Amino acid sequence: GEDVEQSLFLSVREGDSSVINCTYTDSSSTYLYWYKQEPGAGLQLLTYIFSNMDMKQDQRLTVLLNKKDKHLSLRIADTQTGDSAIYFCAESPGGGGNKLTFGTGTQLKVEL
Amino acid sequence: GAVVSQHPSWVICKSGTSVKIECRSLDFQATTMFWYRQFPKQSLMLMATSNEGSKATYEQGVEKDKFLINHASLTLSTLTVTSAHPEDSSFYICSAMIRDRDSYEQYFGPGTRLTVT
Repeated sequence: GEDVEQSLFLSVREGDSSVINCTYTDSSSTYLYWYKQEPGAGLQLLTYIFSNMDMKQDQRLTVLLNKKDKHLSLRIADTQTGDSAIYFCAESPGGGGNKLTFGTGTQLKVEL
Repeated sequence: GAVVSQHPSWVICKSGTSVKIECRSLDFQATTMFWYRQFPKQSLMLMATSNEGSKATYEQGVEKDKFLINHASLTLSTLTVTSAHPEDSSFYICSAMIRDRDSYEQYFGPGTRLTVT
């Protein structure tokens, strides 16, 4: 089955850039997503990328996709304390499939 | 737009009772909704796919007789945990799917914290 992995924890200083990494195994993944979850809350969709794209930028967020290595990353520029949360990557298979397989989640802690 | 609500936000129930959780898409119609379960400090695990007007599709290992799903309208899906036990205590999150041009996006509800005593 599909397997999506992330590092568990990342700590950065306010103002620095954060890079959260994700690896996946399903080569038929068509859509790859990044979600943010704050304590006790649901998931907020941050951004997504098609598998035929290498990069997508949206304000402070930059997503990089290395399809050959099945590696996805999320870069947050000028990280703020409000960015502290758990970040999940997720993948959805090809063929217009809509089931999401989530990664293990990375807890981002932003320190002053 | 694309707001999904869940009710209740949290619930405490006694072992052996049943609990119903509602998931509503507030400003759009969703033919497909999903139910996830999340244990503390863990990822989301898909429990079932709820399709309006038809039976839900359950993931392997999820008891369909224990977790009853009803998707009676295009804006409402319900999950009923029957004969709840302490091991059913978890954070239950629903999502509703929207097709946006060439992509599918899931918008998530805020979650329901279930504690079974």
